[in-house]
Amino acid sequence: EAGVTQFPSHSVIEKGQTVTLRCDPISGHDNLYWYRRVMGKEIKFLLHFVKESKQDESGMPNNRFLAERTGGTYSTLKVQPAELEDSGVYFCASRDSGGTLQETQYFGPGTRLLVL
Amino acid sequence: RKEVEQDPGPFNVPEGATVAFNCTYSNSASQSFFWYRQDCRKEPKLLMSVYSSGNEDGRFTAQLNRASQYISLLIRDSKLSDSATYLCAVKRGAAGNKLTFGGGTRVLVKP
Repeated sequence: EAGVTQFPSHSVIEKGQTVTLRCDPISGHDNLYWYRRVMGKEIKFLLHFVKESKQDESGMPNNRFLAERTGGTYSTLKVQPAELEDSGVYFCASRDSGGTLQETQYFGPGTRLLVL
Repeated sequence: RKEVEQDPGPFNVPEGATVAFNCTYSNSASQSFFWYRQDCRKEPKLLMSVYSSGNEDGRFTAQLNRASQYISLLIRDSKLSDSATYLCAVKRGAAGNKLTFGGGTRVLVKP
């Protein structure tokens, strides 16, 4: 079974530009999460989708970040315009629905974003 | 104060030795606890969930102390391949909620 995939693996952009990150969850997983790790800090939650609906977006830093999951399959995270402090590793994770046995979140390899 | 705190290490461990480290959490509403392993420039991978009664998976043993609000991970008979960063993660409330991570504890197993 394919795991969570993310694209691109790396992105280097200039301040003020736009970048769109993509996440393909494990097939059939209704729950999709975005997390971010900036240099020297812990991994922090950004938002959570259940199918196409935003369940919790309390971790989104500001309105320069827009996440979508049209159709409830893959998700995109757009940063516009990018700032220097947006640099970091953006992880996506997915989880099946159901009881406690399905609560494991599986992480993708991450997208390393560098804003210059 | 951070919600989840870990000693960043590194813990330098001779091959074959035992190493143990803790993770403290501040929110008493935390209900689910996990240890993830993260290799350099890789994604976190679930090592084990931590249950109230404690649990063991091969050389790895996890314990939960709700009274003192910490979880622990013990690695016995350390292998070189155990070198990694170990991330503690907690979740509040319902199963759908977000994970809150600690900063990770780095473990280096040396020959």
